[in-house]
Amino acid sequence: QQPVQSPQAVILREGEDAVINCSSSKALYSVHWYRQKHGEAPVFLMILLKGGEQKGHEKISASFNEKKQQSSLYLTASQLSYSGTYFCGTGPPGTGNQFYFGTGTSLTVIP
Amino acid sequence: DGGITQSPKYLFRKEGQNVTLSCEQNLNHDAMYWYRQDPGQGLRLIYYSQIVNDFQKGDIAEGYSVSREKKESFPLTVTSAQKNPTAFYLCASSLTGAMNTEAFFGQGTRLTVV
Repeated sequence: QQPVQSPQAVILREGEDAVINCSSSKALYSVHWYRQKHGEAPVFLMILLKGGEQKGHEKISASFNEKKQQSSLYLTASQLSYSGTYFCGTGPPGTGNQFYFGTGTSLTVIP
Repeated sequence: DGGITQSPKYLFRKEGQNVTLSCEQNLNHDAMYWYRQDPGQGLRLIYYSQIVNDFQKGDIAEGYSVSREKKESFPLTVTSAQKNPTAFYLCASSLTGAMNTEAFFGQGTRLTVV
């Protein structure tokens, strides 16, 4: 039930853009995105809900395709601070926050 | 400052010993969770609790136990029955268990069993 993330790793130069994808084999009600820097706690970025509602940081952009059971996180004009591992979390309706996290996408931004 | 605190940050134990990881939050959140993180495997849910005195097993509950006697505390015991306990453990909380509420994570406890 673990969602699949792609790519597994990406290296960007400062200012470049990246897209991280998350797909699930199950019907989704919501998708959460978190970023974790090495040795630190994951930090909330965004929640996307069925029906189009979004909640999160203004500078983060993401999409949620309910039919395809997919979500994408868009990182534009990347900064060094964007480096870290990005996780999506998904879950079917009624399961609360016992959602399943993907395996993560490692993003490295270099000068 | 409000937040979620895990202790200790690093923990070493001998094989066969039980060990308890602490997780405390002062955010007044109803829901709390324990995740295990291994390299390349993301976060896997061990246990979760949506309310005091109630908790449910996640995907990998075998060899672990929890209690939720107080709203602010959700300790995790790694028992000797857990075959491969060495891992990074993360505790999280959310205002409710609903899918539209974000999770706040603690800094984690790195457990090494020798």
